Amino acid sequence: EAQVTQNPRYLITVTGKKLTVTCSQNMNHEYMSWYRQDPGLGLRQIYYSMNVEVTDKGDVPEGYKVSRKEKRNFPLILESPSPNQTSLYFCASARGLDVPETQYFGPGTRLLVL
Amino acid sequence: QQQVKQSPQSLIVQKGGISIINCAYENTAFDYFPWYQQFPGKGPALLIAIRPDVSEKKEGRFTISFNKSAKQFSLHIMDSQPGDSATYFCAATWQGGSEKLVFGKGTKLTVNP
Repeated sequence: EAQVTQNPRYLITVTGKKLTVTCSQNMNHEYMSWYRQDPGLGLRQIYYSMNVEVTDKGDVPEGYKVSRKEKRNFPLILESPSPNQTSLYFCASARGLDVPETQYFGPGTRLLVL
Repeated sequence: QQQVKQSPQSLIVQKGGISIINCAYENTAFDYFPWYQQFPGKGPALLIAIRPDVSEKKEGRFTISFNKSAKQFSLHIMDSQPGDSATYFCAATWQGGSEKLVFGKGTKLTVNP
C-alpha cells in the first residue's frame, strides 16, 4: 500500500529534550515536506526537500532541523523543544515538482512539550 | 501575496443541503488549486483540484468553481452527508513552485443528520 508513515504518533516531552520524528514514504517520491497544524492557523510549512541531500526552509523553520540522506526518509529534529512547538505535525510527499502535484500526507504526530 | 484566505471558519449544514466554502488569493502566478479533506485524527487528503484554464470541475457531489478575474475559487458539496463532516482546506501553488503549497486556514464542516 502506498503511504507516508510517521512515528511516533503521539509524543509528550519536556522542554530542552532533543527528539526526532521519523517520516518514511514508499512511493519513490522525490519531494518531501513537513508541516505543523495549529488551531486557527491551518497548515504551515516547516521544511521541504526536493531530493536527497537537498533541503530548504519553509515558512516556520525556527527551532527545527531536517535531513534527507535517503530518498524515502525525511526526519524532523527538534534539538531543544519548547512549549510553543506543541502542535500537530504532518509529513507529506509528492512525486515531483516539474508540474504542480498532489501531496500525500502522513497520519500526523501530536507533540506536547511541557 | 502568498496568502490564501478561506471562509467561513466553520459551517453547519443539514443533511441534503449544499455546503459552500470560499477561498480568495492574490498571487496571479498561482495555477493549481487543490482542496484537501481532513477527518479527525487523519492527515489531509486530496479531494479535488482545478487549474485556471477551466471555470468549473465536478467530481461526484463535489464541485470547484473558479473565477480567475476575481481571484476566487470555491468548493460546493451537493447533497451534503454526515460522512462529509471534516475540515476542508483550500490551497494554491504554481508550476515550478510546487514546494510552496499555500494553504487556507481551514473550514470545519458539520453536517447534521
